[in-house]
Amino acid sequence: GESVGLHLPTLSVQEGDNSIINCAYSNSASDYFIWYKQESGKGPQFIIDIRSNMDKRQGQRVTVLLNKTVKHLSLQIAATQPGDSAVYFCAEKTSGTYKYIFGTGTRLKVLA
Amino acid sequence: GAGVSQSPSNKVTEKGKDVELRCDPISGHTALYWYRQSLGQGLEFLIYFQGNSAPDKSGLPSDRFSAERTGGSVSTLTIQRTQQEDSAVYLCASSKGLAALAQYFGPGTRLLVL
Repeated sequence: GESVGLHLPTLSVQEGDNSIINCAYSNSASDYFIWYKQESGKGPQFIIDIRSNMDKRQGQRVTVLLNKTVKHLSLQIAATQPGDSAVYFCAEKTSGTYKYIFGTGTRLKVLA
Repeated sequence: GAGVSQSPSNKVTEKGKDVELRCDPISGHTALYWYRQSLGQGLEFLIYFQGNSAPDKSGLPSDRFSAERTGGSVSTLTIQRTQQEDSAVYLCASSKGLAALAQYFGPGTRLLVL
């Protein structure tokens, strides 16, 4: 079946540095992508989204980049803070459906 | 309420028992989603509702799983004859509509089947 970011890597970054979290997706028909942050014991929290007709979108301290040619999505967090420590999930939606496929996530650890 | 709420927060049950999980979406949100998250895994889509109808039930793992939504608000996910592999966190999310794509999640119900 389709897959999004099946591995759960861990990214460790120093406080204040920039973080880049990557996600590979396999469905070229996906038209919408979301990044979520999940802290321990909580539900996922919406961070930022991007439609397939865009290649970059910026939010507060976060930027999402979409490369449809290689089916790659990334989340950049500027000036990473301890509160950014969490598991980050990417999710994709296929055009014509309302089902979202989530990856297994990346754990971000911020080192003081 | 301010966000999506789910109850119970934790549920321990014995194999073979039925369980009901409840989701209260954000007021005014017409779309509602159920997901399952196993330990260390991503979210597995189960079902979504637009209003009271569920156009897509393909994510339900087996016929032991069912969900309903009444009055366009509260939804209940029922698991009959629970099995140990049903142990997971069950997450509910809502959005303003299917076309309003950002989903807001509840804290989840942690289900443990002994």
